[in-house]
Amino acid sequence: DAKTTQPTSMDCAEGRAANLPCNHSTISGNEYVYWYRQIHSQGPQYIIHGLKNNETNEMASLIITEDRKSSTLILPHATLRDTAVYYCIVRVASAGTALIFGKGTTLSVSS
Amino acid sequence: EAGVTQFPSHSVIEKGQTVTLRCDPISGHDNLYWYRRVMGKEIKFLLHFVKESKQDESGMPNNRFLAERTGGTYSTLKVQPAELEDSGVYFCASSQDRNWQTPDEQYFGPGTRLTVT
Repeated sequence: DAKTTQPTSMDCAEGRAANLPCNHSTISGNEYVYWYRQIHSQGPQYIIHGLKNNETNEMASLIITEDRKSSTLILPHATLRDTAVYYCIVRVASAGTALIFGKGTTLSVSS
Repeated sequence: EAGVTQFPSHSVIEKGQTVTLRCDPISGHDNLYWYRRVMGKEIKFLLHFVKESKQDESGMPNNRFLAERTGGTYSTLKVQPAELEDSGVYFCASSQDRNWQTPDEQYFGPGTRLTVT
């Protein structure tokens, strides 16, 4: 079972920042936080991952609380193409382990 | 660089028939994974290859499913005989082989939509 809890859905206006929360209160010290998204009819797409420090790449920023029990994915300027289901996944720091998907958050970006 | 490709994109078969799904990973990726989403459920892991070896088959639902990766390149997933509950979308993902303590990013293909009637 997924070790994360996410809101079922969120709305965001185009051009505004989308902040997607995730709770992972039982995360272990050797587990990373990963974010993927699935745009309708496509395969899941990797976004970002982190262990304890905040991370940023060309797609998004990941903010992890100091106690690591929760995190927030930030899309700084959401566009209509960011409408998707976003998955927060906790995964051990070991290559080759499976991704365990929960229900995710459906983000709807509107103009 | 080409991404993960899957064939066919759609398949409609009758109950009891056999279907073979194919996945071509990103070139140079030793790790290959199969996942699936059946109607109304979450995406579930099926199995993991490292090169041609099966590392983890814990997600395979039953012995009607057979995955192979001969030569460590592309992989096939055969369902024989197919049942109605096998309908869903089958995803393949691949990743680079890294230091065992470093997690990898898995890159997914577009999926194969299987419909069993």
